[in-house]
Amino acid sequence: GAVVSQHPSWVICKSGTSVKIECRSLDFQATTMFWYRQFPKQSLMLMATSNEGSKATYEQGVEKDKFLINHASLTLSTLTVTSAHPEDSSFYICSARDPREAYTGELFFGEGSRLTVL
Amino acid sequence: SQQGEEDPQALSIQEGENATMNCSYKTSINNLQWYRQNSGRGLVHLILIRSNEREKHSGRLRVTLDTSKKSSSLLITASRAADTASYFCATGVTGGGNKLTFGTGTQLKVEL
Repeated sequence: GAVVSQHPSWVICKSGTSVKIECRSLDFQATTMFWYRQFPKQSLMLMATSNEGSKATYEQGVEKDKFLINHASLTLSTLTVTSAHPEDSSFYICSARDPREAYTGELFFGEGSRLTVL
Repeated sequence: SQQGEEDPQALSIQEGENATMNCSYKTSINNLQWYRQNSGRGLVHLILIRSNEREKHSGRLRVTLDTSKKSSSLLITASRAADTASYFCATGVTGGGNKLTFGTGTQLKVEL
């Protein structure tokens, strides 16, 4: 199946700093990528849909100025957590669909990035 | 918002036994998918069932879908210790574009 790579896999930062997480589709082009957030032992909550060449679509309740999403190329989307605070500590996961397998409806996920804000 | 509620929240069985997980959802769907997540890792797609299908098999997995009850079940037969993971259902909602909404998940533990 298609491969989605996420980096870094974990990051620890001080409160008030900004952290960037990258999501890359390695063997396919993704016009759309999805960013999820997951708290321990809980489900995935969709944060936003990242659209190549245009603005991201944020889910209700997600602060767009807090979670900046940039999808500058067909293989890379970035999520920047700005002025991070301890409550932003979470597991962030990106996903994408391979257009070559659009009929399957399957999402391919990155390995996730665990953010800890001190 | 959560679309799917799964039960049980946690399930512990012995190797060789079957494991059944249930998912209920609220709105009209195009398809329902099951994903697996090992602790601290990304999700892996297991199987997709479309709204006009009632049952689907893939290896040791069997998925059923009852659109009248808005529910689905995932059966893992002859479980193995390596099946220990969290399992999530995810729904593609009618008119929802490409978005998937995930259920609350079932944590399965298969003991030797």
